[in-house]
Amino acid sequence: EAGVVQSPRYKIIEKKQPVAFWCNPISGHNTLYWYLQNLGQGPELLIRYENEEAVDDSQLPKDRFSAERLKGVDSTLKIQPAELGDSAVYLCASSLGLGLADNEQFFGPGTRLTVL
Amino acid sequence: GQSLEQPSEVTAVEGAIVQINCTYQTSGFYGLSWYQQHDGGAPTFLSYNALDGLEETGRFSSFLSRSDSYGYLLLQELQMKDSASYFCALPVDKLIFGTGTRLQVFP
Repeated sequence: EAGVVQSPRYKIIEKKQPVAFWCNPISGHNTLYWYLQNLGQGPELLIRYENEEAVDDSQLPKDRFSAERLKGVDSTLKIQPAELGDSAVYLCASSLGLGLADNEQFFGPGTRLTVL
Repeated sequence: GQSLEQPSEVTAVEGAIVQINCTYQTSGFYGLSWYQQHDGGAPTFLSYNALDGLEETGRFSSFLSRSDSYGYLLLQELQMKDSASYFCALPVDKLIFGTGTRLQVFP
């Protein structure tokens, strides 16, 4: 069974440019998460989807970040315009969506973004 | 809110046993999870404790004491490939991660 797929793996852009990341979760996983991970720190949630509905986007900087999961399967995270401080690894994860104590999430390899 | 504290770094030699501690604060508790992440890799699930006590999975074990808001991950018979970062996390409709413990295993 394929795991969570993310692309691209690496992206280098200049500040003020737009960038988009794509994620395809494990088949059958209703819940999809986007996390941001800064160097030496744990991942932090940006947005959580239950099927196509964004149920937690409280940590998403909505002035420049947007996300969509149109058919409840794959998802895109966009930054426009990018800032130097956005340099980080963007991780996508999925889970079966068993409820509050959904303890096992499956992570993709992440996209390492460098903003120059 | 929720928060988790872990030591930043632990070192050990091959074949040894190492314990990575985690203390947490949370208003609602649904268990404690552990994830492993190699440099440049994805976090991968190791274990989950919902109740007090020790859960054993091969060379790895995880312990939880809810009364002490404390848990630990125990790694036995260390191998070089165990060198990675280890995160404790609170599953509260999302994962709240600790800052991670970097384990370095030396030959």
